[in-house]
This record gives sequence, C-alpha cells and structure tokens, in this order.
Amino acid sequence: SAVISQKPSRDICQRGTSLTIQCQVDSQVTMMFWYRQQPGQSLTLIATANQGSEATYESGFVIDKFPISRPNLTFSTLTVSNMSPEDSSIYLCSVAPRGDTDTQYFGPGTRLTVL
Amino acid sequence: GDSVTQMEGPVTLSEEAFLTINCTYTATGYPSLFWYVQYPGEGLQLLLKATKADDKGSNKGFEATYRKETTSFHLEKGSVQVSDSAVYFCALYYQAGTALIFGKGTTLSVSS
Repeated sequence: SAVISQKPSRDICQRGTSLTIQCQVDSQVTMMFWYRQQPGQSLTLIATANQGSEATYESGFVIDKFPISRPNLTFSTLTVSNMSPEDSSIYLCSVAPRGDTDTQYFGPGTRLTVL
Repeated sequence: GDSVTQMEGPVTLSEEAFLTINCTYTATGYPSLFWYVQYPGEGLQLLLKATKADDKGSNKGFEATYRKETTSFHLEKGSVQVSDSAVYFCALYYQAGTALIFGKGTTLSVSS
C-alpha cells in the first residue's frame, strides 16, 4: 500500500481566489490521479497527473481552471483557480504504487468551501 | 460506456443484521472490481477487490464475489456493527494504473 497525505485538510475560500492542494506519497508511485467529490455525490476524475509532462484532463475539466503539477514520483499539486461556490467539494488524490499498480489508494481529501 | 450501478440508499440496519449492497456493472471486457468505504469526514479506504471472474475479495468480515455471468459484485457481511456505518462505493477499472469508474455510493446506517 501507500501512505498519502494532503494539505490542507480543509479550507474556506472567497469567490474569485485560488487554492493549491498538495498530495504527498511516502513512496514512488507510477500513477497519480485527482478526483472531485461534490456534496452527496460520487467521485469524478479530474485528471491524471503525469510526471514530467502535462496532466491529462477528463472531459469537462480544463487546465486553466485546474492546473496540475507533478515534479517527481512522490508529489503533486492541484490548483482550483478563480473559485466559485460550485467548486465547493472534496478533492482527493489517489495513487497506483509501483509493484501494486492494480490497486488505487486514496488520500484523506481536502474539503473546500467557497463563499 | 462503462458504468457501475449500486442500489439506492440509505440502507438502515440494526446491529448484527445481515448486509447486502448490490453492485452491477456494464463493461465491454473484464475489469477489476473494487469496494471502497468512506467513513464520516474521511477519505476513501480500499475495502476489498477482485481481479478476475469467480474471485472472492474479503476484508473485515465483508466479502464480494466477481460474477461474470451476472456482471455483479455484491457486497455482503453476516453481522454488521455500528462502526460499519459509512458510504460504500463500488468501482471498476480495466487496466492497472488507469482511473476508476465509481458507482454513486450507498449510505449504510447501523443502529444499536
């Protein structure tokens, strides 16, 4: 398995501002993903964070709104830009570790409220 | 496209009752199947998984069997506890390292 931490764990932000969420893993992983969980809903994939190259975004998500970085095999960031109340969600990163790539492990999530 | 369908919740049970949460999937091939659990205020935890037909995943008294003929992966537990109260998500994917496709989740509430 993998131990995943996210920062911040929660935040309350004002409309129009941006928030960067960090995901740190305790071991090198092959794949890292960012998901969104809107209130009372299931998880939706935002993008796959690729090490050393641009992230791969799912339909409905764009780089200008959700820029992602992945500078190495243990760390990634997701920025939620120009926020609106509709961005209020839980944002989770997940990883598929080396040697266990058929399983994904999730971080504890970042609970974002936009006023 | 590929999808996962879970039974509607919430499911409300008394302690020590038998639990079944139904999950069926639509897929063109043979995906790997998972159950994740989300306790109140927390992230997702992997509960169990099965990677091929007839495999049975089990953990913490929960189990689920990969049924290719009925495209199902129902979650069961013989005797639930109050601490099992959570949201349960069924999920699938095809290829190691690719993104998961989730069901909508089923809320379980267990009372003493």
